[in-house]
Amino acid sequence: ILNVEQSPQSLHVQEGDSTNFTCSFPSSNFYALHWYRWETAKSPEALFVMTLNGDEKKKGRISATLNTKEGYSYLYIKGSQPEDSATYLCAFQGAGGTSYGKLTFGQGTILTVHP
Amino acid sequence: ETGVTQTPRHLVMGMTNKKSLKCEQHLGHNAMYWYKQSAKKPLELMFVYNFKEQTENNSVPSRFSPECPNSSHLFLHLHTLQPEDSALYLCASSQVAGYSNQPQHFGDGTRLSIL
Repeated sequence: ILNVEQSPQSLHVQEGDSTNFTCSFPSSNFYALHWYRWETAKSPEALFVMTLNGDEKKKGRISATLNTKEGYSYLYIKGSQPEDSATYLCAFQGAGGTSYGKLTFGQGTILTVHP
Repeated sequence: ETGVTQTPRHLVMGMTNKKSLKCEQHLGHNAMYWYKQSAKKPLELMFVYNFKEQTENNSVPSRFSPECPNSSHLFLHLHTLQPEDSALYLCASSQVAGYSNQPQHFGDGTRLSIL
């Protein structure tokens, strides 16, 4: 059973604060790590797909880093805005065996940004 | 506007009913997925179809029966469900299943309640 852990489970910040959260995943049989943003009553929206150790991706005020050797990824949000309030999901995509190509999701980090 | 459309958005059914969930994608993708999200649990993969062929059944009970008549449409036929099957069912699509670093695109989901 693959273990994908996200921390913290929830986070409350003030508008303008910068924040970050963590996704931990198996360091073996790695193919890709996905980040999704899921607003209430909407569909999950892809943020990043990361494949290379040491990779860093950026989309506006959101960025992510990847360490495949130790099995973690960080998601950073700079200058949080109320519209950033959402659940942020990471998903591990395995490379072989029973995890071939499948996404295994973490439980998510619920971010609330207060005005 | 999402390229993946799910109907219905909400469904209430008795344990002896038969109903179907529908998913349609307008993205030209070749892979489609069913996921289940139960309360306080991560998104859980149920089925994968790649070029209309089922490539993954994640130990799903036979009371859930998927159907993929073409690459744009995916159904989930429901029969004799249990109260624990009450959950949000999400459909997703991607370019191909397996070793691809492309993100998945999700629908808004069907909220299913079993009486």
